[in-house]
Amino acid sequence: SQQGEEDPQALSIQEGENATMNCSYKTSINNLQWYRQNSGRGLVHLILIRSNEREKHSGRLRVTLDTSKKSSSLLITASRAADTASYFCATDKYGNKLVFGAGTILRVKS
Amino acid sequence: DGGITQSPKYLFRKEGQNVTLSCEQNLNHDAMYWYRQDPGQGLRLIYYSQIVNDFQKGDIAEGYSVSREKKESFPLTVTSAQKNPTAFYLCASSIDSEQFFGPGTRLTVL
Repeated sequence: SQQGEEDPQALSIQEGENATMNCSYKTSINNLQWYRQNSGRGLVHLILIRSNEREKHSGRLRVTLDTSKKSSSLLITASRAADTASYFCATDKYGNKLVFGAGTILRVKS
Repeated sequence: DGGITQSPKYLFRKEGQNVTLSCEQNLNHDAMYWYRQDPGQGLRLIYYSQIVNDFQKGDIAEGYSVSREKKESFPLTVTSAQKNPTAFYLCASSIDSEQFFGPGTRLTVL
């Protein structure tokens, strides 16, 4: 069963615009992570936010976590064509065992 | 050059055959994982291992088997009992919450 659900399923934007993806989950968590997957490749870890944190930044990435609403958002600012990929949230409930959502497909048009 | 390697990149199997997917890591990570990814979907956990000589079933273990005789290696066997094995298989390892992924193996049943 999938704990996290991303929204939207697909997003298409122009280069330079911001992209926002959302993730909702069902039960309490220790942390939430975001991963990126380029087509046909493995996943790359982007950022981890712990349950006692509300916001975290890494370069052009900004992640928020609202545990009362069981939701998280990933914001990519000033998007580039190279940001085109699928983005997954993953929740860590059972120690280091992650549960992944279905992902958001982001397309950045140049 | 540290990382996780998976081989082969592409694998074709005839119905009724068992096949083994290789996963090797030189990151000195204790935990290793196998996931299955179907088109347009997130990752589903097949098996995981927190330590050498120990492994646990994930959410979709039926038709699969693993071994963990060495810290560096976690091979996955897709048996003939797996009714729909065509998918993209990803191996990962972790020392904490963050998981590091291999490049994946695409298995196709002919």
